[in-house]
Amino acid sequence: GAVVSQHPSWVICKSGTSVKIECRSLDFQATTMFWYRQFPKQSLMLMATSNEGSKATYEQGVEKDKFLINHASLTLSTLTVTSAHPEDSSFYICSALDSLKGNTEAFFGQGTRLTVV
Amino acid sequence: AQSVAQPEDQVNVAEGNPLTVKCTYSVSGNPYLFWYVQYPNRGLQFLLKYITGDNLVKGSYGFEAEFNKSQTSFHLKKPSALVSDSALYFCAVRDQAGTALIFGKGTTLSVSS
Repeated sequence: GAVVSQHPSWVICKSGTSVKIECRSLDFQATTMFWYRQFPKQSLMLMATSNEGSKATYEQGVEKDKFLINHASLTLSTLTVTSAHPEDSSFYICSALDSLKGNTEAFFGQGTRLTVV
Repeated sequence: AQSVAQPEDQVNVAEGNPLTVKCTYSVSGNPYLFWYVQYPNRGLQFLLKYITGDNLVKGSYGFEAEFNKSQTSFHLKKPSALVSDSALYFCAVRDQAGTALIFGKGTTLSVSS
């Protein structure tokens, strides 16, 4: 089956620094990827839709200047948390749609646990 | 707007008993419905989906779900629960291909031995 690799699995950073999270589709092309954020024991909240070669579409309330998304190729989307603060600590999960399967199937990365100290 | 409701925060069952995790949805068009399971500090594992066809969908690990259009429900079921089924379960919906999944709040399933 299709595999989405998310890296790193966990990261600890200091307040004020930036952290980049990568989401790669390993064996399929993904023109569309999604980034979610999950607080402990809560649901996944959609942050943004990432489209290859164009600007990401952010959900209401998500700061686009803080959560920078780049989707430069058909297999890679990155989320950069800029000037991180402790309140940005969360579990971030990416999802990719298989373009050749009519975008009906969504595949998820294993998630990234971000802790800002 | 799409939405998903999982009315139960937690479901407790004894091992060997049948389990049901409830999900209702609201979409403007025909729904694409999904169930995922999540273990602590892990990503989502796909269990099953309904897009079209038979209302009863069989998925991974012995789980199944029944699409009920009149009740706008997509409850997850398993005839005989295992302790290893204990996890967080998410129902999700989208109304067309290519859009993001919208998730319910999740239901914690606890199976006791």
